[in-house]
Amino acid sequence: TQLLEQSPQFLSIQEGENLTVYCNSSSVFSSLQWYRQEPGEGPVLLVTVVTGGEVKKLKRLTFQFGDARKDSSLHITAAQPGDTGLYLCAGARSNTGKLIFGQGTTLQVKP
Amino acid sequence: GAVVSQHPSWVICKSGTSVKIECRSLDFQATTMFWYRQFPKQSLMLMATSNEGSKATYEQGVEKDKFLINHASLTLSTLTVTSAHPEDSSFYICSARGQTRDTQYFGPGTRLTVL
Repeated sequence: TQLLEQSPQFLSIQEGENLTVYCNSSSVFSSLQWYRQEPGEGPVLLVTVVTGGEVKKLKRLTFQFGDARKDSSLHITAAQPGDTGLYLCAGARSNTGKLIFGQGTTLQVKP
Repeated sequence: GAVVSQHPSWVICKSGTSVKIECRSLDFQATTMFWYRQFPKQSLMLMATSNEGSKATYEQGVEKDKFLINHASLTLSTLTVTSAHPEDSSFYICSARGQTRDTQYFGPGTRLTVL
């Protein structure tokens, strides 16, 4: 059972376009994290959202945590080829500290 | 800060041999580390939780005798793949829990290829 549904799983867009990646769950998380991973490397933490309704911005990336702390979204404005990579959302369970990962979104931004 | 290293970064071994992968937290102490496995173009799958000074907790379906985990110090956890077979070939990634319970810092991963 996949507890965290991430969509879309693959996305190929042109440079300059906007995109949104979604992570949805029926479970409540104490926090939700977004990572970016390059091929052959480990995931790099982009942001952690903790409070329901929280919005965080990282340059052209906007992260939002749902009011009920069950879902999150990542919006990229004016995507660039350097944004290409695998984006992973991960929900944290406060009782175990474990991270539940979504399936990942492979983003390709064409110049 | 919060740097996690893994060694080796890649390893090729013959079927039937054992391989040890090290995970180190370089600038902080980590009482808890996690081991993940990742197949090409897929997400991370948690294998086990490594706790300093105690036995590791394995996820359902992960063979304890196959994947031996030792967390002997606050900065080092090791994963030993015993009697490796081609189906064990994968990308193994460790993470260390930071000061905030939910935060994990990931190592760069180890590519294991079993011939």
